Amino acid sequence: AQSVTQLDSQVPVFEEAPVELRCNYSSSVSVYLFWYVQYPNQGLQLLLKYLSGSTLVESINGFEAEFNKSQTSFHLRKPSVHISDTAEYFCAVSEGGGSEKLVFGKGTKLTVNP
Amino acid sequence: DAGVTQSPTHLIKTRGQHVTLRCSPISGHKSVSWYQQVLGQGPQFIFQYYEKEERGRGNFPDRFSARQFPNYSSELNVNALLLGDSALYLCASSLAGLNTEAFFGQGTRLTVV
Repeated sequence: AQSVTQLDSQVPVFEEAPVELRCNYSSSVSVYLFWYVQYPNQGLQLLLKYLSGSTLVESINGFEAEFNKSQTSFHLRKPSVHISDTAEYFCAVSEGGGSEKLVFGKGTKLTVNP
Repeated sequence: DAGVTQSPTHLIKTRGQHVTLRCSPISGHKSVSWYQQVLGQGPQFIFQYYEKEERGRGNFPDRFSARQFPNYSSELNVNALLLGDSALYLCASSLAGLNTEAFFGQGTRLTVV
């Protein structure tokens, strides 16, 4: 069965500092990988996804994640965070081939302090 | 274009009651998935419907059921509510049932007292 481990439940950082949110997954088959962001009292918004091809994927707001098959990881990074990046971030995995479900990690609460 | 819309946004029910949550997918999307997000946890998959047929089911008791209508909207029903059913219920829609292109609604916050 697939599973996702987000190693940090909370990550506090100062504004303009770099940040890395860690995600490891387990699966016996090829996978698709996702990062979602959830702002307070809102639903999930897709931040970025890896389906195939280049192992480095980027979002429009400066986040990037790298798929590492050997380490079964998909860590999320941003070189310089803003106050507005404060939110909960969820890593998710699904099996390739159009599997019907996403399996989510427990989330990492990112708090950016001034 | 309107995104995925869910109703109601908030709901309080008593143990043992029944609840119905509703979801309207993005126009043109034919698939709807339901997830339960308990406070402090990631979302957990409950159901997926595509073209009005159940395509997947998560590890939830039979008290949970769902259906999809001809206009592709969907209902999630939960019978005999327990305190542990208190959660944010999220609906996601996609064009062809592929979760690689799923869009989530704002969710329905259910509180069972």
